Amino acid sequence: QVQLVQSGAEVKKPGASVKVSCKASGYTFSTYGINWVRQAPGQGLEYMGWISAHNGNTNYAQKLQGRVTMSTDTPTSTVYMELRSLRSDDTAVYYCARDDCSSSTCYIGDYWGQGTLVTVSS
Amino acid sequence: QSVLTQPPSASGTPGQRVTISCSGSSSNIGSKLVYWYQQFPGTAPKLLIYRNNQRPSGVPDRFSGSKSGTSASLAISGLRSEDEADYYCATWDDSLSGWVFGGGTKLTVL
Repeated sequence: QVQLVQSGAEVKKPGASVKVSCKASGYTFSTYGINWVRQAPGQGLEYMGWISAHNGNTNYAQKLQGRVTMSTDTPTSTVYMELRSLRSDDTAVYYCARDDCSSSTCYIGDYWGQGTLVTVSS
Repeated sequence: QSVLTQPPSASGTPGQRVTISCSGSSSNIGSKLVYWYQQFPGTAPKLLIYRNNQRPSGVPDRFSGSKSGTSASLAISGLRSEDEADYYCATWDDSLSGWVFGGGTKLTVL
């Protein structure tokens, strides 16, 4: 069965960086892209970006351009999301979510990681 | 401020029909497909509706989606206590070149 397993919770100081991993299993890794979505405490969902597991192409949310980098490690079927220059408002649960595709259209599908809480605090 | 506008809350009694609206613009809902997600506290979102009105396998037919112009709606008929959750609409936005979500609607079953 398809599974996305994320790395554990992190506590970081303002200005630091965090790198969250998302290990995929149960399907051919290179077939589907991975999206990252975050959710601040008590708030809604925010799209962070997407990476192709086929060729590493990325699409980052305009708001995070310059601070976020997504990467893949094909041998381990793992996707990484690094966020730099952390601020208190980056405190959130970070989710990876696999693409699903239907009729040549791909979208944020039904396979999500369990979420990783990143707390930014001095 | 979310790009897509949803009411912050909705409610209904068991057995009732409830609708949740999602309003956007020509750069998103008006020209793109709409998706709906259900989220329970402390858990990851679950895909409820894809491509405006399609249900993934396992989603009861009590849930239905529709789209007209720059707005979309999620309808839940035969409301049940286990439907109490947060609901989010989402679509691609050409102006932002990225996915956008509504602010979410908290559904309460009275």
